[in-house]
Amino acid sequence: DIQMTQSPSSLSASVGDRLTITCRASQGIGNYLAWYQQKPGKLPKLLIYAASTLQSGVPSRFSGSGSGTDFTLIISSLQPEDVGSYYCQKYNSAPFTFGPGTKVEIK
Amino acid sequence: QVHLVQSGAEVKKPGASLKISCEASGYTFTTYYIHWVRQAPGQGLEWMGVINPSAGSATYAQKFQGRVSMTRDTSTSTVYMDLSSLRSDDTAVYYCARVEGMLVAALNYWGQGSLVTVSS
Repeated sequence: DIQMTQSPSSLSASVGDRLTITCRASQGIGNYLAWYQQKPGKLPKLLIYAASTLQSGVPSRFSGSGSGTDFTLIISSLQPEDVGSYYCQKYNSAPFTFGPGTKVEIK
Repeated sequence: QVHLVQSGAEVKKPGASLKISCEASGYTFTTYYIHWVRQAPGQGLEWMGVINPSAGSATYAQKFQGRVSMTRDTSTSTVYMDLSSLRSDDTAVYYCARVEGMLVAALNYWGQGSLVTVSS
């Protein structure tokens, strides 16, 4: 099975900072990669699919890129409401594995 | 609009079995695959499997093979997830989630979650 890794596992940044979260697949998955945000105590929310397509209603400060094995989620200007955990997920074929997550906090 | 409503919280003893329901509404039930994802306390998201509500066929994560079964009832637009031989590390919130579209298998609609506690 393809393994998904994320880095960093956690980060603390200031409001307005640019954040980069990386997701790596152990084998190529094309662009079949989604990013989710999960705020504390809330449901996961789809942010990006097809590696770079912003889900409707998601703020434009979020962007995604990559294909094959290496993917990036960027928050261009961190806002207080962005606190939470971020997960990538492969969906090219089963198993639809999630990455271990990146926890984002405000400094 | 799309709604997924799950059954309520459960407390189970080790060795017991679990059945969670997920009732879908707001769309044609048989059109979109539904996945099951769980999250242990303080941990990340773990994919368990997916069911095709039209065919009734399911694919499971290897970790749960032999212990999990996903079924559906098209008459009530409900999918079910059965998990047997429960252990303490099965304590988690279990989510059903629908894919975004027929060609996009990312999960855009989530049930509210069902908390399952396994304890003697």
